[in-house]
Amino acid sequence: QQQVKQSPQSLIVQKGGISIINCAYENTAFDYFPWYQQFPGKGPALLIAIRPDVSEKKEGRFTISFNKSAKQFSLHIMDSQPGDSATYFCAAMDTGRRALTFGSGTRLQVQP
Amino acid sequence: EAGVAQSPRYKIIEKRQSVAFWCNPISGHATLYWYQQILGQGPKLLIQFQNNGVVDDSQLPKDRFSAERLKGVDSTLKIQPAKLEDSAVYLCASSLAGAEGNEQFFGPGTRLTVL
Repeated sequence: QQQVKQSPQSLIVQKGGISIINCAYENTAFDYFPWYQQFPGKGPALLIAIRPDVSEKKEGRFTISFNKSAKQFSLHIMDSQPGDSATYFCAAMDTGRRALTFGSGTRLQVQP
Repeated sequence: EAGVAQSPRYKIIEKRQSVAFWCNPISGHATLYWYQQILGQGPKLLIQFQNNGVVDDSQLPKDRFSAERLKGVDSTLKIQPAKLEDSAVYLCASSLAGAEGNEQFFGPGTRLTVL
């Protein structure tokens, strides 16, 4: 199965709050899990990525938590800011094949 | 460093017409991808090139879609004839080859509307 399931579809958070987006996958060949951020009219841009040999990766206000046994991973945005308002996509890659399989996206709105 | 360039940015055509999109990847990136992003969905891979050879075109509707990457640099994606369900944003991405090539860099996309 190539599918990556993402939730929620949309999310409204107050400024300074924590935004949490969840993803699940089925294909055990996936070995690279990036999160992409997309603003209207722009292409997706890599935000942060993780390999399955670690359970957590943090870059600034963005953290990926990874649960290999459950085949789930999540993005946490701490101290959410209005500038974080965008659509976020989780993705998964079998690095032997390179192509990304994307989730359906989460539209995040951070209210001031 | 210049990003991935795509043109046109917008295109409106009637169904059954043909259309072509152009992509210029980041210099030195051997791998090039075309994705289709339907409104409200994540991008879906259509075709992947390594230099000028096709690596994966399993999800490309080959009865109407074609793509080429001559000389291993620029690429074009063509739809002929277009259907209403082809309305989408067509994204081009590129990456380095080898172990450094996990990160894909996306262009701004071409928004296609089929009437």
